[in-house]
Amino acid sequence: DSGVTQTPKHLITATGQRVTLRCSPRSGDLSVYWYQQSLDQGLQFLIQYYNGEERAKGNILERFSAQQFPDLHSELNLSSLELGDSALYFCASSVSVDSTYSPLHFGNGTRLTVT
Amino acid sequence: GENVEQHPSTLSVQEGDSAVIKCTYSDSASNYFPWYKQELGKRPQLIIDIRSNVGEKKDQRIAVTLNKTAKHFSLHITETQPEDSAVYFCAATPTGTASKLTFGTGTRLQVTL
Repeated sequence: DSGVTQTPKHLITATGQRVTLRCSPRSGDLSVYWYQQSLDQGLQFLIQYYNGEERAKGNILERFSAQQFPDLHSELNLSSLELGDSALYFCASSVSVDSTYSPLHFGNGTRLTVT
Repeated sequence: GENVEQHPSTLSVQEGDSAVIKCTYSDSASNYFPWYKQELGKRPQLIIDIRSNVGEKKDQRIAVTLNKTAKHFSLHITETQPEDSAVYFCAATPTGTASKLTFGTGTRLQVTL
């Protein structure tokens, strides 16, 4: 168990809808990262938060947004969902803002299916 | 930005044989290279990493080599076992900018009996 908790495990929704994915980092970890994993692609970085502040953005669509709360849990909001948004969404956490010195610990992911 | 290419996409070896997975990267500023293992339906887990100040690192049956001049690094698994079957991802990033941790597309390793 990595200590990173993601909910829900599975999510099935229709096109055009909005969903929220939740992540609780390991105790003591201040950085939270969100990744998208599609079937034929690797892990695509979406966004990083450190101690409540956005630190970096990757290839995150404008329809997607995220935030990190004072208790350090994070939520990823996906709106106007399209079929192509179906994927496994991973949250990862690390102690520092620089994961090259404190490795990433991944949660078990949320599998999103858009029908 | 960084671009990481990984080969092969699938690899099948017999139990006891060695497996080698290769990655190349494009950003000469990259100096941290982790490898993650993802078993079917599970989360990626860090198995080994290497920094650019070393050329090789070993951990039991796993080793990683780095050639900064050629911009490539490799994962070597010796005496493979069925539990080594998984998807392996390489990644690269410059130190201090972890948000740019760029992953390869993965290698599906199948260890057959």
